[in-house]
Amino acid sequence: EVQLVQSGAEVKKPGATVKISCKVSGYTFTDYYMHWVQQAPGKGLEWMGLVDPEDGETVYAEKFQGRVTITADTSTDTTYMELSSLRSEDAAVYYCATTSGYPFDYWGQGTLVTVSS
Amino acid sequence: DIVMTQTPLSLSVTPGQPASISCKSSQSLLHSDRKTYLYWYLQKPGQSPQLLIYEVSNRFSGVPDRFSGSGSGTDFTLKISRVEAEDVGVYYCMQSIQLPLYSFGQGTKLEIK
Repeated sequence: EVQLVQSGAEVKKPGATVKISCKVSGYTFTDYYMHWVQQAPGKGLEWMGLVDPEDGETVYAEKFQGRVTITADTSTDTTYMELSSLRSEDAAVYYCATTSGYPFDYWGQGTLVTVSS
Repeated sequence: DIVMTQTPLSLSVTPGQPASISCKSSQSLLHSDRKTYLYWYLQKPGQSPQLLIYEVSNRFSGVPDRFSGSGSGTDFTLKISRVEAEDVGVYYCMQSIQLPLYSFGQGTKLEIK
């Protein structure tokens, strides 16, 4: 059974950096891309970027370019999403998702990030 | 970038009645490999999104057959033949023809009357 388990909620101050993890099980981690998706309160889904766990190559959405870093640790089958220079509008739920057969066919449970001074 | 536009943004449906959601893309989603890269997701209240339909009209594993997808090119539709209480949530269309970039529609909120 494919499972994506994310780290817990975070509270950060403006200007800080947050790093969220997503541990994968149920398939070979290096076989499929891992994605991160942002959902601001009451808003829709916004794709942030992806990592190819096999070689670490990344692609980022233009909106997040320069502030987001997505990595993959093949020793622990875990992907990480780091977002820097946090501002109030970064307060959101962040999801990891995989593309094991089709885009975003499996999702993590989401991680709430609160940005508050 | 491809823009995905859904209508309506919300709808209220009596259980047992049909529902329909439209999704239009700013560019054709038909690839040279003859596949059309349009997907539908449902986010139930308090849950992560889940894949319903892939490549326009194919139901993902475990998705009830009351859900169906249709369309081509730039115009697509998700239909629920008979809405049930468990179908409430927000429905999103998504394109993946412009790899490695992905974009979602704004979402359509389905409520039960």
